[in-house]
Amino acid sequence: EVQLVESGGGLVQPGGSLRLSCAASGFTFSDHWMSWVRQAPGKGLEWVANINQDESEKYSVDSVKGRFTISRDNAENSLYLQMDSLRAEDTAVYFCARDRDWNSYPYLDYWGQGTLVTVSS
Amino acid sequence: DIQMTQSPSSLSASVGDRVTITCRTSQIISSYLNWYQQKPGKAPKLLIFAASALQSGVPSRFTGSGSGTEFTLTISSLQPEDFATYYCQESFSNPGSFGQGTKLQIK
Repeated sequence: EVQLVESGGGLVQPGGSLRLSCAASGFTFSDHWMSWVRQAPGKGLEWVANINQDESEKYSVDSVKGRFTISRDNAENSLYLQMDSLRAEDTAVYFCARDRDWNSYPYLDYWGQGTLVTVSS
Repeated sequence: DIQMTQSPSSLSASVGDRVTITCRTSQIISSYLNWYQQKPGKAPKLLIFAASALQSGVPSRFTGSGSGTEFTLTISSLQPEDFATYYCQESFSNPGSFGQGTKLQIK
């Protein structure tokens, strides 16, 4: 059974840092792109960043470029999101998701339950 | 950036109704369009990928269609468990964008 379990969320002051982790199990982690998606309270979904199997390709949304870094450890079956210079607008539940594709059409087929990040003084 | 316009933003319907949600994109994206369902406090669940392919385990009452810039998600006969928020998502760009969501409520 595919499982994705996020951790590392919490309360942080504006300008602070947090590192989110996602522990993957039930599939060959090193075979898949992986993503972070966030959802601000009462709002919609925003795809934050994704990373390919060997970390040679990484993409992120403009609002987090230069502040957030996605990475992974295939030996540990783990995905990470280092978040620096946090702002109030980064407050959200952060989901880890597995990327798949069918005939080169990408989609997110498994999601974790999310971890809440609150940026406030 | 690709802009996503999902409509309606909310919808009231009854069990057994047929409902359609529309997603329009600001540029042609072929069939790079996915649909997700989200219930309160839960993670999103994939329903449809590549515009019309049904994810394994998803009931056949969910149908996706469209190509180019206009896409639809149809639920043929609403069941009580279908009341949720639905999101479209383009995967033509990386990372892709989500629509703003359609909240489906019980009438």
